[in-house]
Amino acid sequence: NAGVTQTPKFQVLKTGQSMTLQCAQDMNHNSMYWYRQDPGMGLRLIYYSASEGTTDKGEVPNGYNVSRLNKREFSLRLESAAPSQTSVYFCASSGNAGGTEAFFGQGTRLTVV
Amino acid sequence: QKEVEQDPGPLSVPEGAIVSLNCTYSNSAFQYFMWYRQYSRKGPELLMYTYSSGNKEDGRFTAQVDKSSKYISLFIRDSQPSDSATYLCAIVNDYKLSFGAGTTVTVRA
Repeated sequence: NAGVTQTPKFQVLKTGQSMTLQCAQDMNHNSMYWYRQDPGMGLRLIYYSASEGTTDKGEVPNGYNVSRLNKREFSLRLESAAPSQTSVYFCASSGNAGGTEAFFGQGTRLTVV
Repeated sequence: QKEVEQDPGPLSVPEGAIVSLNCTYSNSAFQYFMWYRQYSRKGPELLMYTYSSGNKEDGRFTAQVDKSSKYISLFIRDSQPSDSATYLCAIVNDYKLSFGAGTTVTVRA
């Protein structure tokens, strides 16, 4: 009963390096989301995918790209990491069109030095 | 203006107290209102959601929506140390969830 699985759980990058955060869900959900969480800022939406084959920008998309590889997988790529991207990243999925119940992964703690 | 605003607290209460958490939202067209709970170093999990206005109760938890003042509330009765967590309010806007900043609650034994 995995739900939403994120890899890696922790990562340290140097400024300018690139990396991809992986997310997979096994609940046959149509919608998937990437959020970042910073102290005092709550969860902010980076990108989302309402269904397989579509992606859209959220509140803070700059510096990120996404790929909806198939219905199960939604990856987030940092092309050239910056210290401002130090954060905890959460992937989520939702099965209903309104997104009222989203299931979250355990998060990836990313530090950019 | 953010779609949903929440006082980040923190809030510290003795065991058995009533915890009251509040958020305001900006757009009267919003219909779905949610509360998520997040334990330290974990992902958020859905606690309750309400549609439109009124109250919804689930055990010790009550969610309330006042659409006239664009105010949503969560009450926790008979609070327990296991309720210590960050509570985030959220609204659905155009198939996306927008979250408040979260209020960190500590229930002291």
